[in-house]
Amino acid sequence: QITLKESGPTLVKPTQTLTLTCTFSAFSLSASGVGVGWIRQPPGKALEWLAFIYWNDDKHYSPSLENRLTITKDTTRNQVVLTMTDMDPVDTATYFCAHKPDTIFGLVMRNPLFDYWGPGILVTVSA
Amino acid sequence: EIVLTQSPATLSLSPGERATLSCKASQSISTYLVWYQQRLGQAPRLLIYDASNRATDIPGRFSGSGSGTDFTLTISSLEPEDFAVYYCQQRFNWPPITFGQGTRLEIK
Repeated sequence: QITLKESGPTLVKPTQTLTLTCTFSAFSLSASGVGVGWIRQPPGKALEWLAFIYWNDDKHYSPSLENRLTITKDTTRNQVVLTMTDMDPVDTATYFCAHKPDTIFGLVMRNPLFDYWGPGILVTVSA
Repeated sequence: EIVLTQSPATLSLSPGERATLSCKASQSISTYLVWYQQRLGQAPRLLIYDASNRATDIPGRFSGSGSGTDFTLTISSLEPEDFAVYYCQQRFNWPPITFGQGTRLEIK
């Protein structure tokens, strides 16, 4: 059974850099077609996609946040790391990482959808 | 950027009733539309992919339809555990991956 779990600080100060780690099991991020994404959700609001990394290290970012985000992977440790610079109170949210499958019932999934999610980590930005 | 507009924002129904949720895309996305369910305090759960395909272990009362710009999630007979927030997501043209603003399904 695939599992993912987010870890990192739950409180950061404005202007600081946030580093979140997604530790996963039961899949390999070196397997063709597999990917991991980061999505966030401010309290009481909708989901917002942040970043995505493929098995081949191809990376994609939300255009509105691209200059603040970096996503990397460590396939040997089964981890994906997201950094977000210059944190602001409006960045207060629950941050999720999620798995993109290579196929679903034999159908190739080239573009992302997310079939397994971590429980999320609430990050509060406050002085 | 493809914008997804969900309606209604809130839907109030009773267990056993039929629920119909809408997601409209700002341009054609073929059938590359995904539905998620998010129960209170939980992560989203994949329900439907590519407009009409149920994901693993999703009950048959959930169905999806549509293509182009107009999509519908139908729950044929509501169970107590179905009262949650539902999001659509497009995976046709990205980045960015975009989500709708959600429909809250509440008990009447």
